[in-house]
Parts: sequence; C-alpha cells; structure tokens
Amino acid sequence: KAGVTQTPRYLIKTRGQQVTLSCSPISGHRSVSWYQQTPGQGLQFLFEYFSETQRNKGNFPGRFSGRQFSNSRSEMNVSTLELGDSALYLCASSLGAVRSGNSPLHFGNGTRLTVT
Amino acid sequence: AQSVTQLGSHVSVSEGALVLLRCNYSSSVPPYLFWYVQYPNQGLQLLLKYTSAATLVKGINGFEAEFKKSETSFHLTKPSAHMSDAAEYFCAVTLSGGSYIPTFGRGTSLIVHP
Repeated sequence: KAGVTQTPRYLIKTRGQQVTLSCSPISGHRSVSWYQQTPGQGLQFLFEYFSETQRNKGNFPGRFSGRQFSNSRSEMNVSTLELGDSALYLCASSLGAVRSGNSPLHFGNGTRLTVT
Repeated sequence: AQSVTQLGSHVSVSEGALVLLRCNYSSSVPPYLFWYVQYPNQGLQLLLKYTSAATLVKGINGFEAEFKKSETSFHLTKPSAHMSDAAEYFCAVTLSGGSYIPTFGRGTSLIVHP
C-alpha cells in the first residue's frame, strides 16, 4: 500500500507570495492533519480534516488554511508569506476517527518551504 | 491541556549500549502515548503506541517503552544500539474525545558512536 505522498518536496517563495501544498493520504484513510516543524518551535499542529470537514485547528493565524477533497486528498495554503513561515510542513493521515485519539499518524516526507 | 517533556535534546551512546530516551507527560485524563522516529529528510514513522492495553509496549526495530502512571512517564528503551538507530525521536500524547490536538515533545537526537 502506498504511503502518504506530499508534493512538492521543496519550495522557495518570496515574502508576500502565497503557496499551496498537497497531500495524498494512504488509501482508506479519512483523516488528514498538517504540522509545521521548525528548529525553534518543534512540531506544531496546524489543523486536521476528516471527511472534508475541519475538525481541529492549532494556534496559527488565518493565513494558514486548508481543505480536503472527497477522495481525502488535502491541500494547505499559506497566504502573504512571512520569513518565519520557513519550515518543514508535514502531512499525516490516520485510519480511525481522530476523536478516538489512539489512531497512529502516518506521515509523509514533508514539503520544505523556504521564504526569502 | 496535555504536554510532553523530553529530557535531553541529544543522547549519545556507543554501538551495542543501552538506549534510554526519556518522556514525561502531563494530562488530566488517561492519555494515549506514542513514540515516533524521524530520519533525515523524512517524515515521522511510528515506533510504538500505548493505548492502555499493556503497560510495556513493544515496537519496531527492537524498541520498547513502559508506561508508568505514577511517574507520568513513557520512556523508550532498546537493549543494544545499532548505528542505524541514529535519528530524531519524538514522544507524543493525545487525548480521547473532545478537541483532539496531538502534542509532540521537542525531540531527542540519538547519536550512535561506533
């Protein structure tokens, strides 16, 4: 079974631009969550989608948004990029309902975003 | 709200030595606990999880962890380190029901010397 696929692997953008990242979950997984990983803040939860609905959102500004399609694929968008948005963005999918709390996350290899 | 503390941002061991990576959590309700491993330029991979079935949990690659409620700990161990174990290790906690936001520790970098 194919794993979680994230595209692109690397992105370089300029301050003020916007960016869209894509995530294809493991087949059959209905939950997709997004994380920002930086050396300073570690791994932080952005938001989670389940059956095309946003179920949870972390403490990030509204510039960070996402959506999920009927095939469970998900996109994350960041508008008006800032230098501090430079990070590794990870997507994870899980099989069970996220409210169960015990479904392990299956991560993609991430998208490395650099904002200059 | 839950939180996770991983003691030691770096742990250095010799090949063949015991690996011990520490994780303490705080939670108002019984938590679910996980250990993940991250190799360079890759995402996180599940090592093992605790979901209240047994306090000693065995994972992949010879790792295991013991849940100790009295100490609010979930330390990760491996009897004999291998060079291929060098990676970043993350402890994570989630709570069942309600607002589900997984919380990760800051990570521990395991360095294995030949």
